[in-house]
Amino acid sequence: DVKVTQSSRYLVKRTGEKVFLECVQDMDHENMFWYRQDPGLGLRLIYFSYDVKMKEKGDIPEGYSVSREKKERFSLILESASTNQTSMYLCASSNLRGQGGRFSYEQYFGPGTRLTVT
Amino acid sequence: GENVEQHPSTLSVQEGDSAVIKCTYSDSASNYFPWYKQELGKGPQLIIDIRSNVGEKKDQRIAVTLNKTAKHFSLHITETQPEDSAVYFCAASPLYDYKLSFGAGTTVTVRA
Repeated sequence: DVKVTQSSRYLVKRTGEKVFLECVQDMDHENMFWYRQDPGLGLRLIYFSYDVKMKEKGDIPEGYSVSREKKERFSLILESASTNQTSMYLCASSNLRGQGGRFSYEQYFGPGTRLTVT
Repeated sequence: GENVEQHPSTLSVQEGDSAVIKCTYSDSASNYFPWYKQELGKGPQLIIDIRSNVGEKKDQRIAVTLNKTAKHFSLHITETQPEDSAVYFCAASPLYDYKLSFGAGTTVTVRA
């Protein structure tokens, strides 16, 4: 089974702190994603990466950066945490891989990190 | 970019009844439409998907329908059971695009 793990389930940080959220996947997936989940807003894409050292902005990249030095690991960085970044953060991975002539776009999600910034 | 709207935001059904969740999308280039289920304390998990060359797809008690002309697609759950209680997300993307645009989610509660 594909497994996506996130370094923390719960995290409490103070305003202005630098925060690192780590994500690791064990299925050699090429694509990795960071979303934030807020009530009534669904899943919003922050950043994604389609290869090592490659990254692209999603819909809400402001206040965030990412790092992908190894294929299996994708880190989300909050340079200076603010209270409006209190949220659930979800990491996901995927691969476009032909299976029986069909491509699979399935994204596999980690359990999430509940970040509170006070 | 793509905008996906999902309704209703909450849905309460009696066990054994059916549940229907509807989504609309804005980008006519979208032709892949997955549905994810998120149980409490877990990340979302794909439960069914449909591509634009198919109007309907069924997998046991769940089915998805797609109307490309009207740009809407729906999830149908029949004979609901307590384990169907979860948050459901619809999503859309163009084919061969690994990015998904998600709806806001529907919290489904199945009453015993």
